[in-house]
Amino acid sequence: EADIYQTPRYLVIGTGKKITLECSQTMGHDKMYWYQQDPGMELHLIHYSYGVNSTEKGDLSSESTVSRIRTEHFPLTLESARPSHTSQYLCASSDGTITYEQYFGPGTRLTVT
Amino acid sequence: KNQVEQSPQSLIILEGKNCTLQCNYTVSPFSNLRWYKQDTGRGPVSLTIMTFSENTKSNGRYTATLDADTKQSSLHITASQLSDSASYICVVSDRGSTLGRLYFGRGTQLTVWP
Repeated sequence: EADIYQTPRYLVIGTGKKITLECSQTMGHDKMYWYQQDPGMELHLIHYSYGVNSTEKGDLSSESTVSRIRTEHFPLTLESARPSHTSQYLCASSDGTITYEQYFGPGTRLTVT
Repeated sequence: KNQVEQSPQSLIILEGKNCTLQCNYTVSPFSNLRWYKQDTGRGPVSLTIMTFSENTKSNGRYTATLDADTKQSSLHITASQLSDSASYICVVSDRGSTLGRLYFGRGTQLTVWP
């Protein structure tokens, strides 16, 4: 099982609150990713990082922001949560080999009321 | 447009039976195709990865096939178990970037009944 962790696993929060979803990996992977997934739908890439101090936006526009100050840590922040942000957020990291195997964390289920 | 389509959307089978899930893709240039298993409320876990030159790969009771000419893949599950109940996601990677961009299908929701 991959060593990639996400906290919290579940979060229910009111509109307008600032939240940070944590993601950490102990595999020393340079590449890390954030995906958003709604029930019955495909995963959509919202942020990725090639390494420390590198962050890029993904295919799906998101109001969230990310940072990569340390290799093992890739937190995602929402400055002002809204009900439209309700979703599952999955973090992943990649070993950078030719097949770019991505290892996923367990996810954070976010509900904004 | 790079897309991954899966069928059926959902499937119910009895424990011990076999089943086959389908995946069609239009991703180009193709790098590799993966099948992931995602349990409810969990992150996806890789089952198999196949490159262009591979046309079959097994992982226990899971066997994936790839036809790169027709851009089709299948995942065959043998002697299903209750623990096989999950969403099975087909994922295709392109060679167009160093990111290893992945294109995800919506998954087939498999339910195994006792």
